[in-house]
Amino acid sequence: EVQLVESGGGLVQPGGSLRLSCAASGFTFRTYWMHWVRQAPGKGLEWVSHIHLDGSITRYADSVKGRFTISRDNAKNTLYLQMNSLRAEDTAVYYCVRQEDYYDSDGLYSYGFDIWGQGTMVTVSS
Amino acid sequence: EIVVTQSPATLSVSPGERATLSCRASQSVSNKLAWYQQKPGQAPRLLIYGASTRATGIPARFSGSGSGTEFTLTISSLQSEDFAVYYCQQYNTFGQGTRLEIK
Repeated sequence: EVQLVESGGGLVQPGGSLRLSCAASGFTFRTYWMHWVRQAPGKGLEWVSHIHLDGSITRYADSVKGRFTISRDNAKNTLYLQMNSLRAEDTAVYYCVRQEDYYDSDGLYSYGFDIWGQGTMVTVSS
Repeated sequence: EIVVTQSPATLSVSPGERATLSCRASQSVSNKLAWYQQKPGQAPRLLIYGASTRATGIPARFSGSGSGTEFTLTISSLQSEDFAVYYCQQYNTFGQGTRLEIK
């Protein structure tokens, strides 16, 4: 079964740090771009970060740039998100997400976030 | 940066009827638009990619159309399990969502 399982969430004080992990199984992890997407309570989806197959390319939302670091260990089939200098507005469910790439019969490229973890809750509060 | 805007914010439709949800991008994104369904307490589920291709296992009553800047998700005959929040996405930008509720 194709699966993503996040862990590492919890309650942390403002200014603190957390490291989220996402264990992948059932597919060849090293061949997929991976993402973190978050959702604040009662709010919509917000893309946080992505990482290339081999970890050589990363990108961040402006809201987390300089504070969060995405990484991966393809030998362990695991995605990480190191979160530093946490703020109240970082409170959210954090989802680990797989990106699937598609090509139609004309070679036209598209993509979809086809596999999502169950999410891990991060609460930043004193 | 591309902005993605969904409308309406809330849509009330009776079971068995058709629902039409809209998504607009601030600049052309070609066919690179996806749709997701999210039910309370669950992770989102991919419905449509490439603007119009159903993902694996998605019922035929869901259809996507459009290209460039204007996109539509249509649910042809609403079932009880379809009442949820729907998001469109252009890579690292999600729309704010449309809540589909029972009329």
